[in-house]
Amino acid sequence: AQTVTQSQPEMSVQEAETVTLSCTYDTSESDYYLFWYKQPPSRQMILVIRQEAYKQQNATENRFSVNFQKAAKSFSLKISDSQLGDAAMYFCAYRSGGSNYKLTFGKGTLLTVNP
Amino acid sequence: GAVVSQHPSRVICKSGTSVKIECRSLDFQATTMFWYRQFPKQSLMLMATSNEGSKATYEQGVEKDKFLINHASLTLSTLTVTSAHPEDSSFYICSARKQPYGYTFGSGTRLTVV
Repeated sequence: AQTVTQSQPEMSVQEAETVTLSCTYDTSESDYYLFWYKQPPSRQMILVIRQEAYKQQNATENRFSVNFQKAAKSFSLKISDSQLGDAAMYFCAYRSGGSNYKLTFGKGTLLTVNP
Repeated sequence: GAVVSQHPSRVICKSGTSVKIECRSLDFQATTMFWYRQFPKQSLMLMATSNEGSKATYEQGVEKDKFLINHASLTLSTLTVTSAHPEDSSFYICSARKQPYGYTFGSGTRLTVV
């Protein structure tokens, strides 16, 4: 079974600074998808970014980018120019590339943004 | 687009009663829906996967007779917590698979059993 590990239970960053959240995963598959989700205090899950394993180029969405290292099974999220609204719980998630559409979530990292 | 409406957002029920939570995909057809449970400051734990028109597939350790899932149409899935007890108090979230590889989450239901 696949596992997703987020080794940082909590992180903090100053407003306008950059922070990197780490995520590693364990899988024997070659085809899969990786996601970062944000869960603010409202508890609504919001997709931040998605990466297809077959793509070598790292995904980017505005201030959010990933460092996808397939061989190392690492999928870190970089948040640039942090804003107060970025404060939330961040979950890394894995999905197999076949017809099993289940998401496996990491335990999450609580990000605090200090003004 | 791709909105999943989940309600109720909060419900308080008495021990021994049943509670139904609904999730509706408003602008797309959700062939597959997922139900999660989340304890405070913890991750989402998948309870079951439901496919329209067929029986739900439950994760190991989840009581299928307690957590009844029905996915009778392409836009509606329901989770019924039967004979609820205080230990069933939790935050429940549904998610619909949005092709080709996206997911849309409901806003969650906070269940309190007293």
